[in-house]
Amino acid sequence: AQSVTQPDIHITVSEGASLELRCNYSYGATPYLFWYVQSPGQGLQLLLKYFSGDTLVQGIKGFEAEFKRSQSSFNLRKPSVHWSDAAEYFCAVGITGNQFYFGTGTSLTVIP
Amino acid sequence: EPEVTQTPSHQVTQMGQEVILRCVPISNHLYFYWYRQILGQKVEFLVSFYNNEISEKSEIFDDQFSVERPDGSNFTLKIRSTKLEDSAMYFCASSEVPLNTEAFFGQGTRLTVV
Repeated sequence: AQSVTQPDIHITVSEGASLELRCNYSYGATPYLFWYVQSPGQGLQLLLKYFSGDTLVQGIKGFEAEFKRSQSSFNLRKPSVHWSDAAEYFCAVGITGNQFYFGTGTSLTVIP
Repeated sequence: EPEVTQTPSHQVTQMGQEVILRCVPISNHLYFYWYRQILGQKVEFLVSFYNNEISEKSEIFDDQFSVERPDGSNFTLKIRSTKLEDSAMYFCASSEVPLNTEAFFGQGTRLTVV
């Protein structure tokens, strides 16, 4: 069965530090991969997506993610975190037709 | 920037009552979705809708649930006879085509069943 795993439930980083959020998926072929961010009281905003081609994708707000087929991973990174990046981050996989499978999310706290 | 809008932002209802959650997708989008997020759990797919019919649904989407596009702009989720476990954040989303473009999500409706 398809699944998405985000091993880190909660991460705390200092402002200005680098960030990496992990995502692993389980699926036989290469799925469509997404990262969404959810700020408190807000909806889900797409940060970036991977469908094919270059395995390093750039997104909004300075985020990037790298698809590694051998590791079935799609980790999200940012070189320097800002306080406004504090939010919940969801990795999602699109496999069949038109539905996404979401991970459980990683909550990011940024300390000054 | 176009956005998906959902109303109400918060709905409180008594167990056994019917609720209708409303969504206005982005105007040129053709695919519509409902997802839900029970507090502390992952976002789960409920249903997708295209060309005025359900194209996919999850096992969560049982006979208690229904969706409708009553006019050219609204997309609704109806929950009949609500149960306590229906308490969740419900997200509407829309996309131009499935998957090979992004799905835009609304801000969600928090449903509390008491």
